[in-house]
Amino acid sequence: EAGVTQSPTHLIKTRGQQATLRCSPISGHTSVYWYQQALGLGLQFLLWYDEGEERNRGNFPPRFSGRQFPNYSSELNVNALELEDSALYLCASSSPYNSPLHFGNGTRLTVT
Amino acid sequence: AQTVTQSQPEMSVQEAETVTLSCTYDTSESDYYLFWYKQPPSRQMILVIRQEAYKQQNATENRFSVNFQKAAKSFSLKISDSQLGDAAMYFCAYRFPSNTGKLIFGQGTTLQVKP
Repeated sequence: EAGVTQSPTHLIKTRGQQATLRCSPISGHTSVYWYQQALGLGLQFLLWYDEGEERNRGNFPPRFSGRQFPNYSSELNVNALELEDSALYLCASSSPYNSPLHFGNGTRLTVT
Repeated sequence: AQTVTQSQPEMSVQEAETVTLSCTYDTSESDYYLFWYKQPPSRQMILVIRQEAYKQQNATENRFSVNFQKAAKSFSLKISDSQLGDAAMYFCAYRFPSNTGKLIFGQGTTLQVKP
């Protein structure tokens, strides 16, 4: 069984640009979660999608957004990038929603 | 608000020995889930063990076991017969009982295993 896959592995952007991160959940999983792991701040909950709908979001500004596609894959978009957006972005999936989360290897976003 | 605290930023253990990682949490809920995740240098978060708060019995997964003290809001992880492959950052996490899809993570403990 393939695990959660994320792309790209690394992403380098300039301040003010937009970044798009992608995630494919484990087959059969309908819930996708996004977390930000910034140095010194631990893992912070960003977004939760289930069955194509945004179900919950963490305490992040609106320039962090995303969507879930009919095949349950997901995209995280970060607009107007700031230096402090540099972090490891982890995607996880689960099904049903209250089962343990399975994480991908993350996308390392660097904003210069 | 729910919080998770890991008071040990770094721990070390000799190979084949036992080590205990500490975690405390704060919640007003009576039913919830607790997890320990491991993050090796590969970056992938790997589920080590889970505990449902309504279960009094401590969870065990091979060399990994927990000491769940609900009244004290404590959830420690014991690793027996430590192996070099256990070296990683370990995160304690709390999951709300309601349908929020949200995990609250502690700050993590870096475990070093010495040969």
